[in-house]
Amino acid sequence: ETGVTQTPRHLVMGMTNKKSLKCEQHLGHNAMYWYKQSAKKPLELMFVYSLEERVENNSVPSRFSPECPNSSHLFLHLHTLQPEDSALYLCASSQQGQGATDTQYFGPGTRLTVL
Amino acid sequence: AQSVTQPDIHITVSEGASLELRCNYSYGATPYLFWYVQSPGQGLQLLLKYFSGDTLVQGIKGFEAEFKRSQSSFNLRKPSVHWSDAAEYFCAVGYTGGFKTIFGAGTRLFVKA
Repeated sequence: ETGVTQTPRHLVMGMTNKKSLKCEQHLGHNAMYWYKQSAKKPLELMFVYSLEERVENNSVPSRFSPECPNSSHLFLHLHTLQPEDSALYLCASSQQGQGATDTQYFGPGTRLTVL
Repeated sequence: AQSVTQPDIHITVSEGASLELRCNYSYGATPYLFWYVQSPGQGLQLLLKYFSGDTLVQGIKGFEAEFKRSQSSFNLRKPSVHWSDAAEYFCAVGYTGGFKTIFGAGTRLFVKA
């Protein structure tokens, strides 16, 4: 595997379910990101981890819970979601953990549908 | 607040025609500017990046962009579009010291034969 991978690619869940999204980067990068992509809206940064420490949390509801066990893996734990949470969730990584000025490498995303 | 504006939601061009996608950013400090492309079912891929030096930047797939500080713009261009260029294009800006890259809403490019 190369680059940034995300699993699952598609997920359908009810509002009472608990599920997790997984991201893995094979690039040796130090920072990882979660974004939400909704139709006709700019990408929304959700969380940033630099050297496994959370450095940015953009007022995301607590029903989204990130986890970064090491610099290669990032999870997004989901529980009691709402239909408006349906979107494409993108993971990205960057080399130096400098966030806004780094080139980010994106995974293909997880298409989430909340019923 | 910092923002990025891509005024065209979608653009249609004929294959072989030239292309220009517009991007304006709101903040005046020294920006790092990016163009990313997203093909259907894929994540975003970097086309090019500018942070200093020559204001005309060359990228992958024959794309280039020009930084104009006086206009707060960073427009993307390609002299001859190929059908495989059909995708969504995102302009983004970042600043030193922060972790948040600001993305525009995107411009979807359609290419007609």
